[in-house]
Amino acid sequence: QVQLQQSGPGLVKPSHTLSLTCAISGVSVSSHGAAWNWIRQSPSRGLEWLGRTYYMSKWYSDYAVSVRSRITINPDTSRNQFSLHLNSVTPEDTAVYYCTRAGSRNYDFDYWGQGTLVTVSS
Amino acid sequence: DIQMTQSPSSLSASVGDRVTITCRTTQSINSFLNWYQQKPGKAPKLLIYSASSLQGGVPSRFSASGSGTDFTLTVSSLQPEDFATYYCQQSYSIPLTFGPGTKVDV
Repeated sequence: QVQLQQSGPGLVKPSHTLSLTCAISGVSVSSHGAAWNWIRQSPSRGLEWLGRTYYMSKWYSDYAVSVRSRITINPDTSRNQFSLHLNSVTPEDTAVYYCTRAGSRNYDFDYWGQGTLVTVSS
Repeated sequence: DIQMTQSPSSLSASVGDRVTITCRTTQSINSFLNWYQQKPGKAPKLLIYSASSLQGGVPSRFSASGSGTDFTLTVSSLQPEDFATYYCQQSYSIPLTFGPGTKVDV
């Protein structure tokens, strides 16, 4: 059974970097056909896909245009987890952040982390 | 980017009602459409993938259909645990996008 467990701070100061980690159990982060995503949800923006990383003989990443200049999603194969780093945050980045898995079946998000409310405030 | 719309944005229903939610996309996505249910304070839960395939463990009162740009989710007989917000999501192209949601309440 795949499980995703998120960790990271719930409060980040403006202009600082938001960092979250998603620990994976039940499957390898390097599994072919799976992609590891970060999604956020806020009242103003709804559900917003931020980006993904996946392994297909080598590692790839894709990011949403809205955050492309500020985001990095990295796999950590030694710990079987992946991380989100979003720099230069503003209050508009306040949201619940989710890590998810998308399988090769239809790129549906079949497993989700528990969610982390991140507030950007001084 | 592929934009998603859902209608209605909210609806009031009673236990036992048949409920239908519509999702439309700004371009054809074949059957790359998924549906999720979200309850307050919880992560979304996958209900339907590939436009009409029921995710394992999801009750058979949930069904969905459509292809191209028009899709529907139907709950044949609403149960108390079905009061929630429902989202569609396209997995046809990057960036992956979600609909704005349909809230189903009493």
